[in-house]
Amino acid sequence: SAVISQKPSRDICQRGTSLTIQCQVDSQVTMMFWYRQQPGQSLTLIATANQGSEATYESGFVIDKFPISRPNLTFSTLTVSNMSPEDSSIYLCSVVWDRGPDTQYFGPGTRLTVL
Amino acid sequence: GENVEQHPSTLSVQEGDSAVIKCTYSDSASNYFPWYKQELGKGPQLIIDIRSNVGEKKDQRIAVTLNKTAKHFSLHITETQPEDSAVYFCAARLYSSASKIIFGSGTRLSIRP
Repeated sequence: SAVISQKPSRDICQRGTSLTIQCQVDSQVTMMFWYRQQPGQSLTLIATANQGSEATYESGFVIDKFPISRPNLTFSTLTVSNMSPEDSSIYLCSVVWDRGPDTQYFGPGTRLTVL
Repeated sequence: GENVEQHPSTLSVQEGDSAVIKCTYSDSASNYFPWYKQELGKGPQLIIDIRSNVGEKKDQRIAVTLNKTAKHFSLHITETQPEDSAVYFCAARLYSSASKIIFGSGTRLSIRP
């Protein structure tokens, strides 16, 4: 499976600021996703990060709040914009590796606290 | 759309006993069912998965069963050990969803020494 890293691993931010989270994979992957996991909750898909084009967002998530980039097959960023305490969550990237057409592998997550 | 329900939300078993977690899904077109284990402070780790053309799959102490008619699938952990303590998530993928999966609500498993 691919090795997935995320930066930062955690951060504490002030209300109204923005944070960009990076996801780096050590090999080319076919698909990359971003999830949110609110405290004590399950995982909710934010969007599919498309290489070279705009991300595909799920219902309830918009590009202005969660802009996503994916400039190549191994890297993606998620920005959480104009943050409020309700954005305090773990943000996870996942990938579908070329060798496994279905299986999603997750990064270690970024734990965000907004004050 | 697809909905995945998971039970129980918490489960406590004696070390060495078995643990069973159950999930149901709503969309009969779902064809891939992974299970993830999430330890505190870490991302979810795939532990086993099953496809709709298979009824059961085993990997050492863990097994998953799938009943397509009833639209439910279960995770079985035998001879539980302290390191099995974690949150477990089931998930289901729609055939046409281009790898998008829907997660259950999670089960917090505690192993009593």
